[in-house]
Amino acid sequence: KQEVTQIPAALSVPEGENLVLNCSFTDSAIYNLQWFRQDPGKGLTSLLLIQSSQREQTSGRLNASLDKSSGRSTLYIAASQPGDSATYLCAVRMGTYKYIFGTGTRLKVLA
Amino acid sequence: GAGVSQTPSNKVTEKGKYVELRCDPISGHTALYWYRQSLGQGPEFLIYFQGTGAADDSGLPNDRFFAVRPEGSVSTLKIQRTERGDSAVYLCASSLAGGEEETQYFGPGTRLLVL
Repeated sequence: KQEVTQIPAALSVPEGENLVLNCSFTDSAIYNLQWFRQDPGKGLTSLLLIQSSQREQTSGRLNASLDKSSGRSTLYIAASQPGDSATYLCAVRMGTYKYIFGTGTRLKVLA
Repeated sequence: GAGVSQTPSNKVTEKGKYVELRCDPISGHTALYWYRQSLGQGPEFLIYFQGTGAADDSGLPNDRFFAVRPEGSVSTLKIQRTERGDSAVYLCASSLAGGEEETQYFGPGTRLLVL
């Protein structure tokens, strides 16, 4: 059974810091991995999607890497801003549609 | 709007009652998904529709939960004889055709509280 773990569970950093969020999964037979952002009381917004054949994806200040063999992904956020405060969820796609989510990292960026 | 919408945004009900939660996917999306998110947890898969049919309902917790999508667009998640443990945020997502390269677009969710 696939299990997805995110470390740390919560993180508080001063504005401007670069930071890394970690995601690990137990079954490497994934189709892709996706990072989402969730603001309080809101739905999920997709940030980056990495196909199983890819090693990383970049969008603006965000960079996500994937190491399927070791069951790990990292989300790197450069020059963090207070507007980055949210919960970040990683999800692995099993089969063609089913996502298994981690429990998330709650990020707070202090002004 | 252009995104996934869900109604109601909040629902408070009493134990034992019946509730319906509605999802309007992005126009033209054939794939629709329901997830349930408990406090402090990530979303858990409930059911996947491809068109009008439920392609996978393996995540539905028991036979009190049922979902339909009669015309291949709007979907309704139905919960009978609600229990306090059903309290959660119910999220709906859609994607163009369900392909593995596709992003799932999520709605804002319905917060269900069973008293």
